Amino acid sequence: EAGVTQFPSHSVIEKGQTVTLRCDPISGHDNLYWYRRVMGKEIKFLLHFVKESKQDESGMPNNRFLAERTGGTYSTLKVQPAELEDSGVYFCASSQVAGQPRDEQFFGPGTRLTVL
Amino acid sequence: DQQVKQNSPSLSVQEGRISILNCDYTNSMFDYFLWYKKYPAEGPTFLISISSIKDKNEDGRFTVFLNKSAKHLSLHIVPSQPGDSAVYFCAANGDAGNMLTFGGGTRLMVKP
Repeated sequence: EAGVTQFPSHSVIEKGQTVTLRCDPISGHDNLYWYRRVMGKEIKFLLHFVKESKQDESGMPNNRFLAERTGGTYSTLKVQPAELEDSGVYFCASSQVAGQPRDEQFFGPGTRLTVL
Repeated sequence: DQQVKQNSPSLSVQEGRISILNCDYTNSMFDYFLWYKKYPAEGPTFLISISSIKDKNEDGRFTVFLNKSAKHLSLHIVPSQPGDSAVYFCAANGDAGNMLTFGGGTRLMVKP
């Protein structure tokens, strides 16, 4: 069974540009999460989808970030316009059953975003 | 304000000895704690967890201890092996949904 996949693995963009990150969760997983690790610090929660609905977006830093999960399968995270402080590693995770907060979250390898 | 803290950014241990990684938390609403292991260029992978109703959980070479009164947990690895060299993240979950709150990580180096 394929794990969580993320694309691209690396992205280097200039300040002011737009970047879209993609996450494909494990097939059949209802829950999809986005996290971010900035400058080797802690991994911080961004948001949580249950199927196609945003369950919790309390960690989204500002309105330059837009996450979607159309059809409840893959998800995209768009940053527009990108700022220097957006640099970091963006992780996606998925877990199987909606309504089960203690289900294991499986993480993808991350997308390393560098904003110059 | 960081609710989960790992105060040791790195730890070096000799192969065969015990590795002890520590984690402190401040939010008393956390009731479930996890350790994740991360290799370079990979995502974190789940290692072991503990519920707040327990004070110890063991899985092979890995044991997690929870001291609720001190808001402290630790991960013991014994015996340590070179393949255990990785960054270890402590994480917590409470009543605020599924989100995990992570510490900053501790880089463990196990020397042969």
